[in-house]
Amino acid sequence: DADVTQTPRNRITKTGKRIMLECSQTKGHDRMYWYRQDPGLGLRLIYYSFDVKDINKGEISDGYSVSRQAQAKFSLSLESAIPNQTALYFCATSARLAVGDEQFFGPGTRLTVL
Amino acid sequence: RKEVEQDPGPFNVPEGATVAFNCTYSNSASQSFFWYRQDCRKEPKLLMSVYSSGNEDGRFTAQLNRASQYISLLIRDSKLSDSATYLCVVNGEGTGFQKLVFGTGTRLLVSP
Repeated sequence: DADVTQTPRNRITKTGKRIMLECSQTKGHDRMYWYRQDPGLGLRLIYYSFDVKDINKGEISDGYSVSRQAQAKFSLSLESAIPNQTALYFCATSARLAVGDEQFFGPGTRLTVL
Repeated sequence: RKEVEQDPGPFNVPEGATVAFNCTYSNSASQSFFWYRQDCRKEPKLLMSVYSSGNEDGRFTAQLNRASQYISLLIRDSKLSDSATYLCVVNGEGTGFQKLVFGTGTRLLVSP
């Protein structure tokens, strides 16, 4: 079984709709992240969370919100989706960020906003 | 200037060839460096961390040049299965949490 799972894997929605992307992990990591990936732009950090009570904005948080329901669950919401939010979204986890530590990524959610 | 810059490629090489990628970073205070591998439409996975003294893992060798602010990845005896996009990753600026900054990737295509 995958250590980091994301649902849904693919989603097509319309402008203005509310969308929630979910992430669950069984690695026991405290830290969780949401990234989006666009062609030619690399991965960009949307939000990150160090524990259930610690949520922080990343570099591109406008238009997004998150919820850390439990240590193992971190959800990303688009309150009113717009076409330029069409992207590949990844959830990631890590035990800590230090030299030699890695982030583990989920399989991604491909979101299309029409 | 981008925080992390990579040649997007693609690098087209035959099986058995040696290929090298470079990556430059702008933050001289960066302490952590990584190469991730990403297959088409899949999630990135850590290939190797990059240490100051350089490090080798099988056919893969990573080097760090702090003076010139670049890291490199050398792949020897390329295999078809090495075809992927290789992401250069560097920790960014700021106090406390050091966010990772991802390059846009270098695409490698290994042909028979």
